[in-house]
Amino acid sequence: GAGVSQSPSNKVTEKGKDVELRCDPISGHTALYWYRQSLGQGLEFLIYFQGNSAPDKSGLPSDRFSAERTGGSVSTLTIQRTQQEDSAVYLCASSLVGENSYEQYFGPGTRLTVT
Amino acid sequence: EDKVVQSPLSLVVHEGDTVTLNCSYEVTNFRSLLWYKQEKKAPTFLFMLTSSGIEKKSGRLSSILDKKELFSILNITATQTGDSAVYLCAVGPYNAGNMLTFGGGTRLMVKP
Repeated sequence: GAGVSQSPSNKVTEKGKDVELRCDPISGHTALYWYRQSLGQGLEFLIYFQGNSAPDKSGLPSDRFSAERTGGSVSTLTIQRTQQEDSAVYLCASSLVGENSYEQYFGPGTRLTVT
Repeated sequence: EDKVVQSPLSLVVHEGDTVTLNCSYEVTNFRSLLWYKQEKKAPTFLFMLTSSGIEKKSGRLSSILDKKELFSILNITATQTGDSAVYLCAVGPYNAGNMLTFGGGTRLMVKP
């Protein structure tokens, strides 16, 4: 089966523009996560969706960042009025959810460059 | 605040060497510790550890968790150039499916 896919793979935008990043999780995975990885840094949690529950937005760095997940599958991360410090690789992951702990599977990421 | 610290930050070895990567953590309601390998963009899953003292093994890679001392190690024996990557350690809280807290990673370079 297909893994997690993300689009676009690369995005260059001008400061102040809005961008949308897309994530298609593994079919059947009810949990979806967005992370950000700045150059040479570890992964920083942004937001987490599980089923129909309200998302955990505790990692979003500012109100310019938002995300939605339609139909419990595809997710879109939107960054409004982009700033240069938003430049990073944005990684999406998905996992099963249940009594056991499940590993997260990552997509290839979107490299965002704000000029 | 949950915290994951990896050491060393970077490591250069020659093919055939054995390496040990370290991960220490402070996290409330610990549930699991995961190791990932990141070569380009997407981290690929290596191991998930939930119980102390039980070694997980996959080929030349192995890992073990010590929940008393709050650390884990990842061993790679007979290293190959293909092992060159950033190795990420992450911990997850008890609630299933919640976000992971990642360490900063160890960059491993294996020279021929």
